[in-house]
Amino acid sequence: AAGVIQSPRHLIKEKRETATLKCYPIPRHDTVYWYQQGPGQDPQFLISFYEKMQSDKGSIPDRFSAQQFSDYHSELNMSSLELGDSALYFCASSLERGLAGGPYEQYFGPGTRLTVT
Amino acid sequence: GENVEQHPSTLSVQEGDSAVIKCTYSDSASNYFPWYKQELGKGPQLIIDIRSNVGEKKDQRIAVTLNKTAKHFSLHITETQPEDSAVYFCAASKRGRTALIFGKGTTLSVSS
Repeated sequence: AAGVIQSPRHLIKEKRETATLKCYPIPRHDTVYWYQQGPGQDPQFLISFYEKMQSDKGSIPDRFSAQQFSDYHSELNMSSLELGDSALYFCASSLERGLAGGPYEQYFGPGTRLTVT
Repeated sequence: GENVEQHPSTLSVQEGDSAVIKCTYSDSASNYFPWYKQELGKGPQLIIDIRSNVGEKKDQRIAVTLNKTAKHFSLHITETQPEDSAVYFCAASKRGRTALIFGKGTTLSVSS
């Protein structure tokens, strides 16, 4: 079965640089979520989108922004990178069936490992 | 906001034994409780979930129980195998929110 695709899988950036992470959800899934996982920690929710609109927001720094496109893929843009941004970034996707029936099963991608030097 | 506590943080069992991981949540409005398995260098894999209108759910060697009154839920793995070794995360969410709030994780080691 097709899974969530994330690119790139590994990314090395220097402080103050920018990075763009991409996420391609499972076919027919219309909702994407972004999570950040530090070493030895649990995933922390950043932001989610349903039908190209932001649906929920967590602990996403103001330096980060994200959007979902008409083909449902999503991009996480990170600017003014800091050493503390080094982490695994996961995208997850789900099939939204209307908020009244939620929450829905979230399927995670393999992640992008971001290293800031 | 929601807080999810998970115990134990590490668990070592012999192959064939059972393993139990427990989580408690704080927000009584939470109504969805998934469990994820994460192997080294991989993304979390959804292994089972339960909603608040159900007390127990089973899928082969894996089962989850939910006690809404006590606000805790547990993962049970029977007949453990070495390939069950991984970090397991519980999580909670509620209607109107999409965020999953995770526990700190349990590192399960199954030795043969």
